[in-house]
Amino acid sequence: GAVVSQHPSRVICKSGTSVKIECRSLDFQATTMFWYRQFPKQSLMLMATSNEGSKATYEQGVEKDKFLINHASLTLSTLTVTSAHPEDSSFYICSARLPYSYEQYFGPGTRLTVT
Amino acid sequence: GQQLNQSPQSMFIQEGEDVSMNCTSSSIFNTWLWYKQDPGEGPVLLIALYKAGELTSNGRLTAQFGITRKDSFLNISASIPSDVGIYFCAGQSRGSQGNLIFGKGTKLSVKP
Repeated sequence: GAVVSQHPSRVICKSGTSVKIECRSLDFQATTMFWYRQFPKQSLMLMATSNEGSKATYEQGVEKDKFLINHASLTLSTLTVTSAHPEDSSFYICSARLPYSYEQYFGPGTRLTVT
Repeated sequence: GQQLNQSPQSMFIQEGEDVSMNCTSSSIFNTWLWYKQDPGEGPVLLIALYKAGELTSNGRLTAQFGITRKDSFLNISASIPSDVGIYFCAGQSRGSQGNLIFGKGTKLSVKP
């Protein structure tokens, strides 16, 4: 149980375009999902907390207009990187929190490369 | 802000050896979680701890929630090559609004 999928696993886009990443909890409902960014050989950096039916909570320094988050259902959250630039290239990982728990289950990640 | 110190940063061991890594925090945590991340993948939850003093095993892995609630350790017994990866501790405290704080990871290398 507690499986989280993420799509796509890898995406290459041109500078200035927008990219959408989907995160789905496959076998449980998640009112709260999280989006992380991970730089090479570093730990996970929380970008934002996505709450179903309400606005996402962004961490300090994360531009909400650049990283649009939508959590329209209890099993799906999306992250859209708008007007992507090469510095946005990174490994983006989502997680979903199990109901009534602090356990987070992670998706397999999305490798974004902006050329 | 809250910080987690995870050590060691990296370990190089021989197959069959036991491994120990730990995390300490500057504040009290209510939950400790241990994850393993393989290259290019998302972290996988190994063990979750909820009570001070709790000792929990998952196969060859054993983790403990420190009595002071400011530390946790993870032991791996009789390591095998597939144990290679980066291990992260993560903690949740009362002031974190349910968010997890992650350690910087311990990179484990196992020599066959």
